[in-house]
Amino acid sequence: QVQLQESGPGLVKPSGTLSLTCTVSGGSISSDFWWSWVRQSPGKRLEWIGEIYHTGDTNYNPSLQSRVTISVDKSKNQLSLNVDSVTAADTAVYYCANFRNIDTGMGVWGQGTTVTVSS
Amino acid sequence: QSVLTQPPSVSGAPGQRVTISCTGSSSNIGAAYDVHWYQQLPGTAPKLIISGNINRPSGVPDRFSGSKSGTSASLAITGLQADDEADYYCQSYDMIVTGWLFGGGTKLTVL
Repeated sequence: QVQLQESGPGLVKPSGTLSLTCTVSGGSISSDFWWSWVRQSPGKRLEWIGEIYHTGDTNYNPSLQSRVTISVDKSKNQLSLNVDSVTAADTAVYYCANFRNIDTGMGVWGQGTTVTVSS
Repeated sequence: QSVLTQPPSVSGAPGQRVTISCTGSSSNIGAAYDVHWYQQLPGTAPKLIISGNINRPSGVPDRFSGSKSGTSASLAITGLQADDEADYYCQSYDMIVTGWLFGGGTKLTVL
């Protein structure tokens, strides 16, 4: 059974870069899944950030695309998220999750990691 | 505007049936993209409970069911139990966003 675990700094300064890693265990990041990042604001709204396939193909939320980069490190079985020029509006719980295609939904989620943007 | 709209809250007594609606538009649910439903218990990650409009992943009780018609979808929960109290979210692909949309979430209270 695939498991996901997010990690990274819990506090980021305004205008800085938020960097998170999601480690995949119990399976290969090169398997037939898309790997997504989703965040949940303190108001509880879920927001899709973007996704990546092991080939490097990516899709990003247009509202975040100019500030977001998602990448894969096959040697470490990890995916990463970078968000540039952060503000308080980027404060959220960040989740990684996987899905096979748009007909299947996100079946496996990490436990989430809380990131606060504050000076 | 590409959004999925859910009622903020619903409630029901133990044993009763409740439904949660998810209203979209012609760029998502109405464009024949599937709807998925998630249950989020307090302090935990969302859990997929309905995929592809009507399918229950292994381990999800048959008290949970999904349906879809036109630009809307619904989640029904029968035989309400205290541990069904959670937030529920719908999700669908949107061809304008070219990505995923989530509904605003519905808080279910078991009276």
